[in-house]
Amino acid sequence: LAKTTQPISMDSYEGQEVNITCSHNNIATNDYITWYQQFPSQGPRFIIQGYKTKVTNEVASLFIPADRKSSTLSLPRVSLSDTAVYYCLVGDGDDMRFGAGTRLTVKP
Amino acid sequence: KAGVTQTPRYLIKTRGQQVTLSCSPISGHRSVSWYQQTPGQGLQFLFEYFSETQRNKGNFPGRFSGRQFSNSRSEMNVSTLELGDSALYLCASSLRLAGGLQETQYFGPGTRLLVL
Repeated sequence: LAKTTQPISMDSYEGQEVNITCSHNNIATNDYITWYQQFPSQGPRFIIQGYKTKVTNEVASLFIPADRKSSTLSLPRVSLSDTAVYYCLVGDGDDMRFGAGTRLTVKP
Repeated sequence: KAGVTQTPRYLIKTRGQQVTLSCSPISGHRSVSWYQQTPGQGLQFLFEYFSETQRNKGNFPGRFSGRQFSNSRSEMNVSTLELGDSALYLCASSLRLAGGLQETQYFGPGTRLLVL
């Protein structure tokens, strides 16, 4: 079973790039890696998903090394509104594992 | 397109009671998954329904059950409530295309359950 580990918290300043790494040593061959953002009193919101190498969309990039045992969510030029909890998800079906979440605080 | 909706948003129950939560998925989505979120345990997978059948199940006791209707709407039931069942219960829907590829899940706002 893939266990996901991520830092509990991170601080940043507006305009900086933020990188949050998730460790998933036992990732299975078929597993994708997905990142979600959650604000208080709301459900998680999809940010990005990838399988290997690099994926980029309009809000973030996801870097996955060749061994796929970790992944890094990159948020370019964060703003105050990016203050939230970020979850890494690995696996599917009944083998789905969310990380404990990384609380990102963006300061002015 | 309307998002995932959950009712009720807030609920207070007492120990021993039962509760039923409802989830309406995004139109066209056939898969509905349920999660429990607590400060101590984080996000934990409860079960997934697809085409009215339970496809996957997390590690929760039998007091937690669910069902899905022909219109893909889903309900989750918790019987004999315990204090530890106090949590945010989240519902997520996805397309679940044939082939079983991992699908993006879209979450509802959740139902916050407080057990006294």
